[in-house]
Amino acid sequence: EVQLLESGGALVQPGGSLRLSCAASGFSFSSHAMNWVRQAPGKGLEWVSMIIGNGGNTYYTDSVKGRFTISRDNSKNTLYLQMNSLRAEDTAVYYCAKDLLSSNSGYNYWGQGTLVTVSS
Amino acid sequence: DIQMTQSPSSLSASVGDRVTITCRASQSIRNYLNWYQQNPGKAPKLLINAASSLQSGVPSRFSGSGSGTDFTLTISSLQPEDFVTYYCQQSYSNPYTFGQGTKLEI
Repeated sequence: EVQLLESGGALVQPGGSLRLSCAASGFSFSSHAMNWVRQAPGKGLEWVSMIIGNGGNTYYTDSVKGRFTISRDNSKNTLYLQMNSLRAEDTAVYYCAKDLLSSNSGYNYWGQGTLVTVSS
Repeated sequence: DIQMTQSPSSLSASVGDRVTITCRASQSIRNYLNWYQQNPGKAPKLLINAASSLQSGVPSRFSGSGSGTDFTLTISSLQPEDFVTYYCQQSYSNPYTFGQGTKLEI
C-alpha cells in the first residue's frame, strides 16, 4: 500500500524557516518524481515544486524560487521541502504528491497534508 | 506560464444530472491534462490523467476529453458523493498550474 506521510508543519514568524518532510512507502520511490502542492485556507490548489526521481532536476513556482528548496533522500524514501524567508502568503496546507508515472503524468497519491502558518 | 481557466467556478445540479466542467489552457498542452476531485478537508484524488485516462477505481460515470487547449470533465449521472470540488491541472510544462476549481452544489 502506498503511503505518504508529511510532517514538519508549524506556526512560524515571518522571515523564519521550516523544513517539511514526506516519508514514502509502498512503491519504488526513486522511480517517481515527487511534488509539493499547497492550498491556502479556503483557496485552490497551487503547485509549488517538483523533483525528479534521481534528484537531478528540480522545479519551482516563481513565488518560492530562491526561498524554498526541494530535495530527496532515496535511501530513506523521504522527500523534503526547506522553506526559508517565509511570508504570510506561504500559509497553507502543504501536500506531498507522487507522480503516476516517472513524471508529468498527474499525482495519483497524496499525503494527508501538513499545515504551515506564517504569522507574528 | 500556462494559465488554466476552469468554468464554471460553481455549478448547481441535482442527483442524476449530467454535468460538464470545462478547462481551457492559455496555450497548447497536447493531452497533458489531469482532473482531480477534492472533498473538504481532504487531499485531492486523481480522477483522470492524460485528458481521458480514467484512473483505476474511479466510477465510469466520470469521463474526460479534449486536447490542445480545450478540455472537459463530464459526470454522466451525478451521485450524492460527487457534490465536491474539481480541479484541472496541466502537466505539460513547469509551473504545473491548476485551474481555480469548480464546486458542484446541490
